[in-house]
Amino acid sequence: QSALTQPRSVSGSPGQSVTISCTGTSSDVGGYEYVSWYQQHPGKAPKLLIFDVTKRPSGVPDRFSGSKSGNTASLTISGLQAEDEADYYCSSYAGSLYVFGTGTEVTVL
Amino acid sequence: EVQLVQSGAEVKKPGESLKISCKDSGYGFTSYWIGWVRQMPGKGLEWMGIICPGDSDTRYSPSFQGQVTISADKSIGTAYLQWNSLRASDSAMYYCTKCGGGGICSDWGQGTLVTVSS
Repeated sequence: QSALTQPRSVSGSPGQSVTISCTGTSSDVGGYEYVSWYQQHPGKAPKLLIFDVTKRPSGVPDRFSGSKSGNTASLTISGLQAEDEADYYCSSYAGSLYVFGTGTEVTVL
Repeated sequence: EVQLVQSGAEVKKPGESLKISCKDSGYGFTSYWIGWVRQMPGKGLEWMGIICPGDSDTRYSPSFQGQVTISADKSIGTAYLQWNSLRASDSAMYYCTKCGGGGICSDWGQGTLVTVSS
């Protein structure tokens, strides 16, 4: 199981939209509808943002959205806010266990 | 509310053994999976393995198979991560997380920092 590939960093100004990609294979991202996204602020535990590719847990703002096409999943943050500055990780089911993405640092300019 | 409470930070020497814990104060301990995640300093998240306390079904990431042991005591709602012989490279933050089917991991422990140094 290799880590899923994410861009190292993305940035945007407040109010803009940013999209983070998460590329895997047909054995993980492409093979199942079980992609999750997590947000992690420095020194904090990860927080679930998206599950089952597109679903948001209660309490997560609707400016966070997920999608998938083939072996690549994406997280879009619309209306970027200062508090969105954090690290983001995708995770996918891979047959018997899960695999994380390499992580993306989001910077709000 | 905090559902998963992990044991405190540890400082160990190479070659020593260690067992850290993750207590679930919520409900349904045996109906969910408890996963362990490693985060080395300044690095990303890595799945180590996952256990279903209900039937002790345990799965390990290939990178951690044989290196650690994951267990659970459902009578006290606690999961464990154990090393028999620590290495300096085991120095990291370790998180436990409670997951439903499909990897929906909505509850996380506060993390246990393990430092291995001679």
